[in-house]
Amino acid sequence: EVQLVQSGTEVKKPGESLKISCKGSGYSFTTYWIAWVRQMPGKGLELMGVIYPGDSDTRYSPSFQGQVTISADKSINTAYLQWNSLEVSDTAIYYCARRAETYEYFVPWGQGTLVTVSS
Amino acid sequence: DIQMTQSPSTLSASVGDRVTITCRASQSISRWLAWYQQKPGKAPNLLIYKASTLESGVPSRFSGSGSGTEFTLTISSLQPDDFATYYCQQYNSNPLTFGGGTKVEIK
Repeated sequence: EVQLVQSGTEVKKPGESLKISCKGSGYSFTTYWIAWVRQMPGKGLELMGVIYPGDSDTRYSPSFQGQVTISADKSINTAYLQWNSLEVSDTAIYYCARRAETYEYFVPWGQGTLVTVSS
Repeated sequence: DIQMTQSPSTLSASVGDRVTITCRASQSISRWLAWYQQKPGKAPNLLIYKASTLESGVPSRFSGSGSGTEFTLTISSLQPDDFATYYCQQYNSNPLTFGGGTKVEIK
């Protein structure tokens, strides 16, 4: 079974750093793009960026360029989303999702990681 | 960026109703459109891709149609498990974008 399992809930203060993870299993992790998607409280879905774990080729959506860092460690089948300095506005659920092999829709999705940033 | 606009934003319906959700793109996206279902507290789940191709395991009461700039998701007979929020997503060009969502509520 193809599965993406994300790290757990995080509660942070503004200015702190954070790295959350997404571990893939049940498929060849290096040959499928992984996306990170933000869902702010009560809002819709926003694509943040994608990474190809095989060679770490990374592409960011314009709104998120420079705000976060996406990386991957193919030796442990894990993708990451990282912030250097969190803001209250980063409070959201973050999902990872596997891109389909040929086209850019997403299946399956991880269970989501809730990140709360509050002073 | 291609803007995706869904309507309505909320829909009240009863079990057994036929439900239609519309997604409009700000420019032509051919048939490069996916639909997802998201239940409260859960991750989105792919229902349909390439506008009308049903993902494996998705009930046949779900169907999609359209091309160019206008698309629809239809649930032929609404079931209790279908009360959720539905999102469209275009994958014609980057950045990939989602619609704002349609919440299907119990009438």
